[in-house]
Parts: sequence; structure tokens; C-alpha cells
Amino acid sequence: DQQVKQNSPSLSVQEGRISILNCDYTNSMFDYFLWYKKYPAEGPTFLISISSIKDKNEDGRFTVFLNKSAKHLSLHIVPSQPGDSAVYFCAASPYTGGFKTIFGAGTRLFVKA
Amino acid sequence: EPEVTQTPSHQVTQMGQEVILRCVPISNHLYFYWYRQILGQKVEFLVSFYNNEISEKSEIFDDQFSVERPDGSNFTLKIRSTKLEDSAMYFCASRGQGSGIIFFGPGTRLTVL
Repeated sequence: DQQVKQNSPSLSVQEGRISILNCDYTNSMFDYFLWYKKYPAEGPTFLISISSIKDKNEDGRFTVFLNKSAKHLSLHIVPSQPGDSAVYFCAASPYTGGFKTIFGAGTRLFVKA
Repeated sequence: EPEVTQTPSHQVTQMGQEVILRCVPISNHLYFYWYRQILGQKVEFLVSFYNNEISEKSEIFDDQFSVERPDGSNFTLKIRSTKLEDSAMYFCASRGQGSGIIFFGPGTRLTVL
């Protein structure tokens, strides 16, 4: 089940620079997208979401961009901080309030001080 | 802030034994989920539960698995006869009405020997 793909298993950036994490999806029925952050031995923590009626949503240092025609979304973190080092999961559901949210494989972000 | 709680944090069992993983979802949430993550792999959907019945389940969720909401607060996952490959982190999650955001618990690490 590869409906949500995160093709970069890891990303390394310098503190203070921008981190860009990418995600692609194949199911055109998805219309609600989320990003989660996960530390080892903890549950995923919700970061930010976007519905398909928007192309951008911003919350502090985190911005999610959605390109529906390309079935692509990205998470921008700026400026990146060492505490941002974690695994980031992209997730999607078929409609707002849909029962089944599908996760990508995750991208491990390393922010170097 | 309300949160999903899970017990135990770590469960060790012998192959073939039954285990019950317990969760207390956020109190006013109506949708409940179990996900699992095998070490180093993606977060996989197992089952969703709404209105006292399973709304959707994955192919992983076979006859060895069952879920129950025995009272107004607990949500349990039972594995009837554990196999070595059931070793994973199991995450409970819940979601409120009208929201697409699912909130995860800290997880139960299940080790099958």
C-alpha cells in the first residue's frame, strides 16, 4: 500500500536553514493531509494539516504547501532548530473526518548545530 | 491538555499467548484507531472503530485481532495467539467529531518471544 510516499528516508540541514520535507500521494480521493513528528519510543505528534481547498497553511515556523494537480505536498521548517531532529510522517485521509488515515514511510530529519 | 493514554508501556509475552493492550482515548472523541509500527518501518493502520463497531480494518487485522470498547472510557486491542512477527509498537489514537486530526497515545511496545 504505497498511497502516500515519502521518497527521502533522511535529510540533514544546518541549524537556522530551511528544512523541506516532501510527500507524494496517489489516491485522488485524499483531501485532508497532515504532518506528524515522531521521536523514538513515543507516539506521533500532530504538527500541521491542510485541506484540499487550500494550497498553503502556516503555523509559526511550519508551513505546509499542497499542489493538488501534482498530488504533492511539502513541509517547510524555517528556521530549523536542533530540537526539530525527529522522524516526520506525512499522512492523508479520503475526506475530512474519514475513518482511515494513511501514513508515509517517514523522513528522518537531522538538524546540525 | 487532554491526551490518549496507553497501558502497559511494554509487554513481553511468549509466542501463542493472548495479549490485551489497553487505551483510554480523549474523553469527547468518537473515533478510535489502532496503528502499529514494526521497528524501523512505517506506521501501519490496523483498525478504526466508531459507534461501537469496526468501521474499517486492514489486511493485517485478521481473525487473531479484535477490538472492544468495554465501557465508556477504555478501548482495547486483543491479539489471541501472538506470533513473533506481532512484535511492534502499537499506537492507539482517537479523533473528535468534525476533525480530521487523529491524536496518538505514547504506544505499547509488544515483544513476542
